[in-house]
Amino acid sequence: NAGVTQTPKFQVLKTGQSMTLQCAQDMNHEYMSWYRQDPGMGLRLIHYSVGAGITDQGEVPNGYNVSRSTTEDFPLRLLSAAPSQTSVYFCASSYSRGGSYNEQFFGPGTRLTVL
Amino acid sequence: ELKVEQNPLFLSMQEGKNYTIYCNYSTTSDRLYWYRQDPGKSLESLFVLLSNGAVKQEGRLMASLDTKARLSTLHITAAVHDLSATYFCAVDLLKETSGSRLTFGEGTQLTVNP
Repeated sequence: NAGVTQTPKFQVLKTGQSMTLQCAQDMNHEYMSWYRQDPGMGLRLIHYSVGAGITDQGEVPNGYNVSRSTTEDFPLRLLSAAPSQTSVYFCASSYSRGGSYNEQFFGPGTRLTVL
Repeated sequence: ELKVEQNPLFLSMQEGKNYTIYCNYSTTSDRLYWYRQDPGKSLESLFVLLSNGAVKQEGRLMASLDTKARLSTLHITAAVHDLSATYFCAVDLLKETSGSRLTFGEGTQLTVNP
């Protein structure tokens, strides 16, 4: 299994540009989530999904969109990039059944810089 | 709003010494995780603590959970240089309808000196 994969690894955007961060997992995990990591602040939840077709907002959702059309993929879209979105973005997934959720496995991360 | 606080945020220790990292949280939860992160890398799961009184050990690291005190500890025994990393605790406000929501502490940056 490849686990959780993310692309790209690095990205530089100009203010106002849009882009999609890709996340995929091959573990058949129902639960997937996106976090951002800023220096000294730990990780903060952006959006999450408990299954295909179901998404919800986390702690810092503004400026980001998500959709979940398949179990495997959970892309994160930046609608109009801003310098405040410069961060490292991590995707995670976990197995869930009957309301019981196991530990989340994290992807390698995408380092995004917005100029 | 759930708040998770770790202390210390920075820890420099000598090889062979013992120390404890503390993780306090503000809302009732019986599910807590510890992760390790090396510079420029992703998060690696260390421990999953799922009930009051849970204690888990792996090598020189031991984690415990006291849900009544809303406190988890990560104890380091006889530190070695390879343990140098940033350690995060994360509390899960698991809900059956909405699923898992992790709130992370700020992280403890551990440096083990020879």
